[in-house]
Amino acid sequence: AQSVAQPEDQVKVAEGNPLTVKCTYSVSGNPYLFWYVQYPNRGLQFLLKYITGDNLVKGSYGFEAEFNKSQTSFHLKKPSALVSDSALYFCAVKSNTGKLIFGQGTTLQVKP
Amino acid sequence: DAGVIQSPRHEVTEMGQEVTLRCKPISGHDYLFWYRQTMMRGLELLIYFNNNVPIDDSGMPEDRFSAKMPNASFSTLKIQPSEPRDSAVYFCASSLYLFGRDSYEQYFGPGTRLTVT
Repeated sequence: AQSVAQPEDQVKVAEGNPLTVKCTYSVSGNPYLFWYVQYPNRGLQFLLKYITGDNLVKGSYGFEAEFNKSQTSFHLKKPSALVSDSALYFCAVKSNTGKLIFGQGTTLQVKP
Repeated sequence: DAGVIQSPRHEVTEMGQEVTLRCKPISGHDYLFWYRQTMMRGLELLIYFNNNVPIDDSGMPEDRFSAKMPNASFSTLKIQPSEPRDSAVYFCASSLYLFGRDSYEQYFGPGTRLTVT
């Protein structure tokens, strides 16, 4: 069965420090992986995706994600966090039927 | 492009009443998804359409929920009768599949916050 897990409900970092939001997946075949961000009272916004190619994917707002096939992970990263990055982050994987399977979400809190 | 449009943005209704949520997908997109988000259950896929045809409605909670897509630019999610446990934020999303481009990302609307008292 296809699934995605975000092991941390919440991540707290200080502004200016690097951040990592973790995601692991389980899927048959080659994975199609996505990260979304949700700001308060807003819909989810697409950040980036991995389909194939370079394991380091760059996306919006300075975020990047690293695909690691051996660890079945797709962690979201940013070298220097901003207070405005505080939001709810979702990892997702494409299922065999084409729909996206979302994780439970990780709340990122960046402190000034 | 205006993005995915949902209406109303907020809906407060009494238990037993019919509720209709509306969605206009991004022009040209061929997939439309309805999700529900709550604190307890997170983000749940209710149903999705491809070229106006329902493909998977296994996430629809029960017969009180129904969804239609009469044309490529409009979809509705109806709850009849509504119950307090239906209170949630309902999102509509759309996507365009381009053969050979692996384009599965979905674009979400702002959501409808439904409160059933």
